[in-house]
Amino acid sequence: EADIYQTPRYLVIGTGKKITLECSQTMGHDKMYWYQQDPGMELHLIHYSYGVNSTEKGDLSSESTVSRIRTEHFPLTLESARPSHTSQYLCASSEYDNEQFFGPGTRLTVL
Amino acid sequence: KNEVEQSPQNLTAQEGEFITINCSYSVGISALHWLQQHPGGGIVSLFMLSSGKKKHGRLIATINIQEKHSSLHITASHPRDSAVYICAVTSGSRLTFGEGTQLTVNP
Repeated sequence: EADIYQTPRYLVIGTGKKITLECSQTMGHDKMYWYQQDPGMELHLIHYSYGVNSTEKGDLSSESTVSRIRTEHFPLTLESARPSHTSQYLCASSEYDNEQFFGPGTRLTVL
Repeated sequence: KNEVEQSPQNLTAQEGEFITINCSYSVGISALHWLQQHPGGGIVSLFMLSSGKKKHGRLIATINIQEKHSSLHITASHPRDSAVYICAVTSGSRLTFGEGTQLTVNP
């Protein structure tokens, strides 16, 4: 069983609010990823990190930002949430280019 | 054209049937993954393979590198197999995903 956690699991919030989605893993993986998935659609990579103090933007442009101050923690922040940010956000981690382990996801709804 | 294409998009089967889901890709890859996503959204990695065939319980995954094609087979399907099955490829260090196949197995 993968030890990767996301909080909150569900979040409903008003437009303009700042939000942070948490992701943590206890496997010591250097690589971590954030994916965005709209209902019925494929996953898209929005951010990734190869280690502490390393962050890169993914294939899908996103207004969110990430940080990687500790190996086990990879939070994603939206400074001002908008309805267009409504989606599911999935965090994952891997060791080198091996199998990725996914968190349970955060379903975000912005009203 | 997507770099990873799956077929079919939707599949309905009766319990006990043998199921095949196909995945074709158009880029060079170092590995191919089959993932299972349940209605609640959680994703589980089923297989990661770069050649040949792997088997885990009732699930079998094959890959043909020359033809850039992979198949996921489910033998003796069961209603609890109902989920979205996603093919993804590792190209560089990142995953590229197919759109998924929605499988429904009826009792």
